[in-house]
Amino acid sequence: GAVVSQHPSRVICKSGTSVKIECRSLDFQATTMFWYRQFPKQSLMLMATSNEGSKATYEQGVEKDKFLINHASLTLSTLTVTSAHPEDSSFYICSARGRTGILTSGGAGGTDTQYFGPGTRLTVL
Amino acid sequence: QKEVEQNSGPLSVPEGAIASLNCTYSDRGSQSFFWYRQYSGKSPELIMSIYSNGDKEDGRFTAQLNKASQYVSLLIRDSQPSDSATYLCAVKWDDSSASKIIFGSGTRLSIRP
Repeated sequence: GAVVSQHPSRVICKSGTSVKIECRSLDFQATTMFWYRQFPKQSLMLMATSNEGSKATYEQGVEKDKFLINHASLTLSTLTVTSAHPEDSSFYICSARGRTGILTSGGAGGTDTQYFGPGTRLTVL
Repeated sequence: QKEVEQNSGPLSVPEGAIASLNCTYSDRGSQSFFWYRQYSGKSPELIMSIYSNGDKEDGRFTAQLNKASQYVSLLIRDSQPSDSATYLCAVKWDDSSASKIIFGSGTRLSIRP
């Protein structure tokens, strides 16, 4: 259980275009989804937190008009990088947290564990 | 400012030995702690979660938590070359809007045959 998918896994785009990344929880309902960005040899930096049906909460320094987040359902969140620039090239990773009790069937996690998608590598030319 | 600190490494350990990874955190109120493993070019994979003081064992992995010292560690017994990866310590904290998990910068572990 607790599988999170992302699409696409890799995308190359031209500067100035927009790119949409999808994050899906496949076998549980994700009440909260998180979007991270990771530059080479650096740790994950939280960009924003989104709860189903409400506006995303962005971390300090993250432009909400540039990184549009939609969490329209309990299994899907999207991140759109608008007017992409080469400095936006990075590894974007989503993670999802389910309803209390959904993820207590054993294994490493507890009810507040975040499970990560496989990531999307974005290259802006 | 909530912080999670880890030694970046690299930490080199011979195959079969015990690898010890350490992490400190700044928020005394934190209640949930996690260890993730990340291979190069891949997303993090959860290894352990720990919520109470003491040790928690799962196979070759043992997580240790000391809330008084604000310290959490991960021990890997009988280290294997496949354990070579970056290990991320993560701490959950709550703010006014939501709970979120903050990651340390990671410790790069290398198991030498």
